[in-house]
Amino acid sequence: EVQLVQSGAELKKPGESLRISCKGSGYIFTNYWISWVRQMPGKGLEWMGKINPTDSHTNYSPSFQGHVTISTDKSVSTAFLYWSSLKASDTAIYYCGRHAYGGTFFEDYWGQGTLVTVSS
Amino acid sequence: DIQMTQSPSSLSAFVGDRVTITCRASQSISTYLNWYQQKPGKAPKHLIYAASILQSGVPSRFSGGGSGTDFTLTISSLQPEDFATYYCQQSYSTILTFGGGTKLQIK
Repeated sequence: EVQLVQSGAELKKPGESLRISCKGSGYIFTNYWISWVRQMPGKGLEWMGKINPTDSHTNYSPSFQGHVTISTDKSVSTAFLYWSSLKASDTAIYYCGRHAYGGTFFEDYWGQGTLVTVSS
Repeated sequence: DIQMTQSPSSLSAFVGDRVTITCRASQSISTYLNWYQQKPGKAPKHLIYAASILQSGVPSRFSGGGSGTDFTLTISSLQPEDFATYYCQQSYSTILTFGGGTKLQIK
């Protein structure tokens, strides 16, 4: 069974750093890119970027380029999303998704989401 | 970025109704269009890819259509479990983008 399991909720202060994780299982991790998606409170889905676990090649949405870093550790089948200095506006639920291909690309399996709250 | 615009942003309907949600791309994306369903407090669920192909396990009352810039998601006979928010997503570009979402509510 394909699963993406994300790390737990985080409460952080502005200016702090944070790394959240997404562990894949039930499939060959390096065969699929991993995407990250943001959902701010009461708002829609925003696609942030994706990473190829084989070579760590990344593509970022311009809206998120330079604000977050996506990485992977293929030895433990895990992708990460990292902030060096959080802002209150980073408060959101973050989802990872398996980026699949079937003629077009789409996210076919999703993690359960990680709630990040940034507040002083 | 390719911008995706959904309409309506919200919709009320009865169980058994036929509903259609539209999605428009800011440029031609061929059929590189996906649809997702999201229920409150849950992760999105993938419904349709390549504009019209149902993901395995998705009920046949869901259908998708369109190409180029204009796309539709139709639910032929609404069931109670279909009340949710629906998002389109383009994958024509390396940088994917979602539409703003359509909240489908029970009338």
